[in-house]
Amino acid sequence: DAKTTQPTSMDCAEGRAANLPCNHSTISGNEYVYWYRQIHSQGPQYIIHGLKNNETNEMASLIITEDRKSSTLILPHATLRDTAVYYCIVRAASGTYKYIFGTGTRLKVLA
Amino acid sequence: GAVVSQHPSRVICKSGTSVKIECRSLDFQATTMFWYRQFPKQSLMLMATSNEGSKATYEQGVEKDKFLINHASLTLSTLTVTSAHPEDSSFYICSASAGLDYEQYFGPGTRLTVT
Repeated sequence: DAKTTQPTSMDCAEGRAANLPCNHSTISGNEYVYWYRQIHSQGPQYIIHGLKNNETNEMASLIITEDRKSSTLILPHATLRDTAVYYCIVRAASGTYKYIFGTGTRLKVLA
Repeated sequence: GAVVSQHPSRVICKSGTSVKIECRSLDFQATTMFWYRQFPKQSLMLMATSNEGSKATYEQGVEKDKFLINHASLTLSTLTVTSAHPEDSSFYICSASAGLDYEQYFGPGTRLTVT
C-alpha cells in the first residue's frame, strides 16, 4: 500500500504558486520523499526529492516538516504546462528501494 | 535529467501472440530497471524490478512466466508479454536508475492493445 496521502485534485491560477501537500505520517527515518508528475499518456517526470532538509531546484521547491510527517511541493509560478498528476512517493534508502505510487493529485492550472 | 526511451510507443496485437517492449537508458548506465503497468485513470503499479545480469524480482500477483523480463546490459531491458489477451491491454512504463539508491527516470510508455 502507498505510504502517502494526497488530495485528489487542485486548481491553481496561471502565474500563481501551486502548493501541493502530501501526508506521510508513517515515514521512517531513512526514507526519502520523492515527487514526480505525469502528463497525460506520458511517463512520470522526476521533479525533486529530499530526506530532511528543504530542497529547491529549477523546477520546484520541497518543504518537509520538522517531524517529516508531511511535505509540500511548491511550483513557484504555475503555467498551463504544469497541468498534470503529481505523485508524492516515500522510498526506502535501503532494501528494495522501490516506488509505491499512490493516487496522486490532479493539478489543473487555469488561464 | 537522464533520458529513457521505450519502443514501440504503441502496439496492437492479436490475442495469443507475444509482444516485446524495449526500454533503453540513453545517457547513463542503468544498474536497475523497473517495469510498471497503468490502467486508465489509475496509478502506476510496479510489476517487477530487474538488475543487470540477474533475474527479475516480480511483485506479488504478477506472473513471471507471462511477463518475461530480460536485463542483459546496462542500457537495455526488455519486457515480453507472452500469449497476450485483451485483459493485458494497458500502458506499460519502464524506469531506469543508476543504482538502487538513485532516483528513477521513466520512459514515455508503451500502449499495448490486444484484440
